Amino acid sequence: AQSVTQLDSQVPVFEEAPVELRCNYSSSVSVYLFWYVQYPNQGLQLLLKYLSGSTLVKGINGFEAEFNKSQTSFHLRKPSVHISDTAEYFCAVSPSGGYQKVTFGTGTKLQVIP
Amino acid sequence: DTGVSQDPRHKITKRGQNVTFRCDPISEHNRLYWYRQTLGQGPEFLTYFQNEAQLEKSRLLSDRFSAERPKGSFSTLEIQRTEQGDSAMYLCASSSTPGSQETQYFGPGTRLLVL
Repeated sequence: AQSVTQLDSQVPVFEEAPVELRCNYSSSVSVYLFWYVQYPNQGLQLLLKYLSGSTLVKGINGFEAEFNKSQTSFHLRKPSVHISDTAEYFCAVSPSGGYQKVTFGTGTKLQVIP
Repeated sequence: DTGVSQDPRHKITKRGQNVTFRCDPISEHNRLYWYRQTLGQGPEFLTYFQNEAQLEKSRLLSDRFSAERPKGSFSTLEIQRTEQGDSAMYLCASSSTPGSQETQYFGPGTRLLVL
């Protein structure tokens, strides 16, 4: 079994400030890790994913995340946020290999303040 | 590549009625997934198809729920005798096999409100 914890349900941040959205996971097997973004009344869009290799993963819209196996974390960061980044962000995990039954966290609402 | 599409985008129904949702995956994708998302929660897995075969069903999928993918292309999710607790966003995703590069691409969802 696997699980994902997103400790922060809401994160307010001023425009052009840096942001970090935290994600911790639990799994008894090796995993793939994902961050998705959801804009209001829309489906989920993949921001980035970690499958293997370099632990620093770069995604779309200037986001990046770092996989830390010892801390079982996959925090999402952006050095300077924009108003358009206001959305809900979901961290997700799936077992590596085979078909991917993805388990999502409860989400973090990022509110960018002008 | 037109992406994953879902129809309808919104559905309001009365308790006890049946509803059916449709998902059209990305054309070359052979895997299709249904998720349910309630307010304040992340998506929860409901079921998964590889081609036309339904390979896994979540315990969330009660007997009132049925999903099909008859020709391995589009899929339908039917809810019979809807209850207010069924109100949620129903998301469909698709992906292709094989390999470790598999990524699920999501549709815009169908928002269901049961009165």
